[in-house]
Amino acid sequence: GESVGLHLPTLSVQEGDNSIINCAYSNSASDYFIWYKQESGKGPQFIIDIRSNMDKRQGQRVTVLLNKTVKHLSLQIAATQPGDSAVYFCAEILTYKYIFGTGTRLKVLA
Amino acid sequence: EAGVAQSPRYKIIEKRQSVAFWCNPISGHATLYWYQQILGQGPKLLIQFQNNGVVDDSQLPKDRFSAERLKGVDSTLKIQPAKLEDSAVYLCASSLLLRGGYAEQFFGPGTRLTVL
Repeated sequence: GESVGLHLPTLSVQEGDNSIINCAYSNSASDYFIWYKQESGKGPQFIIDIRSNMDKRQGQRVTVLLNKTVKHLSLQIAATQPGDSAVYFCAEILTYKYIFGTGTRLKVLA
Repeated sequence: EAGVAQSPRYKIIEKRQSVAFWCNPISGHATLYWYQQILGQGPKLLIQFQNNGVVDDSQLPKDRFSAERLKGVDSTLKIQPAKLEDSAVYLCASSLLLRGGYAEQFFGPGTRLTVL
């Protein structure tokens, strides 16, 4: 399938380690923030979201942190697995409109 | 539940030719989106439909791009004539009707367009 983001920033982590992927967003009025995972040849897949009035939300093996002061979002993946290898995008939602950031390629090393 | 279907998966054309992409959203999803994803970038919204009406087409290059969703279900996106810079993956997504908060978007696999 097609490759997504050949020239994206890349984060390489050892299998079993924790991964932290960062994102800066642009609109302080954004209502929600979402992290997506995009594997080669596929469309983005929802991972986790967070509302603007929260600063942390946890899912299964993933945690999203929101710092509104500096307009920064991060995705933490615990015990990274080979299946986590993909491109990760953050998106901010402003009045129902999705605005995607530049992605980060996560490579999991065996 | 069947996901968002798109066709074709790949298309190669020469500049100045025309091309059309098709999308079938998840059954019952009133909102349909077309995104352009250039290599190395996040998806950029081209057009958003709610049923068969256009909600947002502010980033659609209307001199060459057009989209329709005549019966509020399937949608087609057309480029005529294509330029080299149109080479990208075209993603279709759908969601339930927006009612406060946001509606989770479900994406299709995309159509990769190469313009030579």
